Amino acid sequence: AQSVAQPEDQVNVAEGNPLTVKCTYSVSGNPYLFWYVQYPNRGLQFLLKYITGDNLVKGSYGFEAEFNKSQTSFHLKKPSALVSDSALYFCAVSGASGGSYIPTFGRGTSLIVHP
Amino acid sequence: SQTIHQWPATLVQPVGSPLSLECTVEGTSNPNLYWYRQAAGRGLQLLFYSVGIGQISSEVPQNLSASRPQDRQFILSSKKLLLSDSGFYLCAWHPGQGSTGELFFGEGSRLTVL
Repeated sequence: AQSVAQPEDQVNVAEGNPLTVKCTYSVSGNPYLFWYVQYPNRGLQFLLKYITGDNLVKGSYGFEAEFNKSQTSFHLKKPSALVSDSALYFCAVSGASGGSYIPTFGRGTSLIVHP
Repeated sequence: SQTIHQWPATLVQPVGSPLSLECTVEGTSNPNLYWYRQAAGRGLQLLFYSVGIGQISSEVPQNLSASRPQDRQFILSSKKLLLSDSGFYLCAWHPGQGSTGELFFGEGSRLTVL
């Protein structure tokens, strides 16, 4: 069985400061890892993914994430936070793709960026 | 390019009334389709997924049902709504077998049962 943990319900950061949203995972075999963002009353938007290759993945809106196999982590980062980054962030994991592709989502972390 | 449409965007229904939420995908064929429910603005609960026409898998026993009458159409239904059915319903699609990519989500349907 696969699982995702987002240990923080909420992350607070001042605008201009770096931000980190944490994610750890458990999956059999090679993991496929994803980050999504959700603004209020909207659907989830894809930010970035790790499938294979470079451990540092760059995505939309200046976000990046680092895949750490030994720590089974895939933390989301941004060097300088913006107030507009305030949203709900979801980490997701899946194993090898098959006919029934069902990624597992974390519970979400609310990011609040203060002016 | 592919797009996903979900409607209605908001819905207020009395307890015991029926429900129909519709989701359609354009620009792709034979996608995997998913219905999620999000309660209280937090975690996603997978309700149903489908890998093809008429093929529906239910993840959670409940008051809801799903159907896929056409390749790119996914419908979430209920015969009699309960208060606990209130929530934010999200439809999503994926290219299917062999793809390791992300899911693509619709804009959601906010259901309030009174």
